Amino acid sequence: KQEVTQIPAALSVPEGENLVLNCSFTDSAIYNLQWFRQDPGKGLTSLLLIQSSQREQTSGRLNASLDKSSGRSTLYIAASQPGDSATYLCAVGARYTGKLIFGQGTTLQVKP
Amino acid sequence: ETGVTQSPTHLIKTRGQQVTLRCSSQSGHNTVSWYQQALGQGPQFIFQYYREEENGRGNFPPRFSGLQFPNYSSELNVNALELDDSALYLCASSLAGTGRYGYTFGSGTRLTVV
Repeated sequence: KQEVTQIPAALSVPEGENLVLNCSFTDSAIYNLQWFRQDPGKGLTSLLLIQSSQREQTSGRLNASLDKSSGRSTLYIAASQPGDSATYLCAVGARYTGKLIFGQGTTLQVKP
Repeated sequence: ETGVTQSPTHLIKTRGQQVTLRCSSQSGHNTVSWYQQALGQGPQFIFQYYREEENGRGNFPPRFSGLQFPNYSSELNVNALELDDSALYLCASSLAGTGRYGYTFGSGTRLTVV
């Protein structure tokens, strides 16, 4: 059974810091991995999608990496801003079914 | 291009009642999935519809049921509501049933069961 874990559960950093959010999964037979952002009480906004054959994806200040063999993904945020404060969720896509299995998220606070 | 829209945004129901939540998929998407997110938790997969057929289901009882219409919009129905059904219900759409191109989520429906 696939399990997804995100560490840390919460993180508080001063504005301008570079930071890394971690995601680990137990079964390497994934289809893809997607990182999402969620503001309080809101829906999910897709940040980056990495296919199982890819090693990383970049969008602006965000970079996500994927290492299937070790069951890990990281989301790197450069030069953090207060507007980055949110909960970040990673989700692995199961093969054949399209089902997403989510971690519990990392809640990020960036202080001005 | 419109995104995924869900209605209503908030809903309060009494235990034992039935509820219907609605979702319009993003233009061009033929697959709709539903997720339940309890407070402080990650979303949990309920089921997925691809071209009007259910093609995957999570660990939810049969009182959770759904439909997908020819225009690919979808409904989630929950019968005999329980207090633990209180959650944010999220709808997601995709170009393919396998999720190859990733998923676009709506803003969710907040259901409170009292």
